[in-house]
Formats: sequence, C-alpha cells, structure tokens
Amino acid sequence: EAGVAQSPRYKIIEKRQSVAFWCNPISGHATLYWYQQILGQGPKLLIQFQNNGVVDDSQLPKDRFSAERLKGVDSTLKIQPAKLEDSAVYLCASSPAGKNYGYTFGSGTRLTVV
Amino acid sequence: QKEVEQNSGPLSVPEGAIASLNCTYSDRVSQSFFWYRQYSGKSPELIMSIYSNGDKEDGRFTAQLNKASQYVSLLIRDSQPSDSATYLCAVPPGAGSYQLTFGKGTKLSVIP
Repeated sequence: EAGVAQSPRYKIIEKRQSVAFWCNPISGHATLYWYQQILGQGPKLLIQFQNNGVVDDSQLPKDRFSAERLKGVDSTLKIQPAKLEDSAVYLCASSPAGKNYGYTFGSGTRLTVV
Repeated sequence: QKEVEQNSGPLSVPEGAIASLNCTYSDRVSQSFFWYRQYSGKSPELIMSIYSNGDKEDGRFTAQLNKASQYVSLLIRDSQPSDSATYLCAVPPGAGSYQLTFGKGTKLSVIP
C-alpha cells in the first residue's frame, strides 16, 4: 500500500511569513495526526483528526497554527505568521480508526524560519 | 501532561554487542507501547510494539515490558553499524487513546 505522502519536503521562509504543509494519509485510514519535531527532541503532537473532525488540538498554538482535513482525507497545516522557534520537521501520520497498532509517518516537511 | 522518559545518550556499543535502551512512563493505565527507529534526517519508523508484561522477540530485537514498574525496554542483539540511529519510545496518554506521546529518544552508535 502507498505510504503517507507529505509535501513539500523542505521549506525556507522568513519570520512573519506564512507557510502551508500538505498530507495525504494511507488510503482508508480515518485517523490523521500532525506532529512537530524540533531538532534533538521527540515528536510532539499538534493535532489529531478522526475523519474530518478534530479529536485533540490542545497542543496546537492556535494564535498562529491552523489545520483542516477536508472530506476526511487530505489535510493541511498552516502557520501564520511564522516565528523562528517554528523551525522544525512537521510530520504527518495516519492509522486505522479504533486501532492502536502504532502508526505510519510520512517523510516530513523540514521548515526553516530565518 | 503524561511523561515518557528516555536517556538521551549517546549510547555507544561495539559491533556484535547487545544494546539496551530503556524507557519509563508516567501513566499507569497505558496499555500499549511502541519503539520507533529514526535515522538521521528521516522520519520515525515503527519497529516493535508490546501490549503484555514480559518479553516479545522479533529477530534481533526484544521488547520487555513491566507495567508494575512502568518500564519498557528494547534490546538489540548482535548490534550492527546499521542499527545506529535514535530510538524513540512511544506510549498512548491513557487507556483507550490512539495518539502517542514520544520520549526524546536515545541515540545509539554501534562502533565497527
């Protein structure tokens, strides 16, 4: 089966600019996650979707970050305006609904804010 | 905030030795536990899962779980240079949760 697709792979922007990341989960996976991984740290959950509804966005900095999952498939994560501390890898992962067998990550988007 | 603690390392072992990676977690009701491997510049890859107390073996990898001590470990036998990576422990933050909380990871270096 095809894996989790993410784009772009790399992005460099100036602070205060906006940026968007895209994720296409594994076909049939109802649950989608966005994680932020800062260099030297473990991934940190930003938001969890179940189909097109938000399950948990408690760690999403809502003053600058937003995410949506239209039609319960693809998802976009947006940052506006970006800060230097947003430099990180943004990882998307998906899993089947109602199962906890771990999940599969996409290749990630490496964001550098200068 | 549920905690997952790992020694950040680096842990260096000679080729052919056993590498032992440890993880403790704070939520007593967690029911499933995962180990991910992350090569430099790559995304995490699931390598082991364990749900019951005791040992689970898969090739050169053995996961060990002790729920009473809130402790999970990963043993890598006959370590190879290709095992050099960061190993992330991941635990759901409570029973019935499908999201995962990750530790900071332990960086393993296998010396030829």
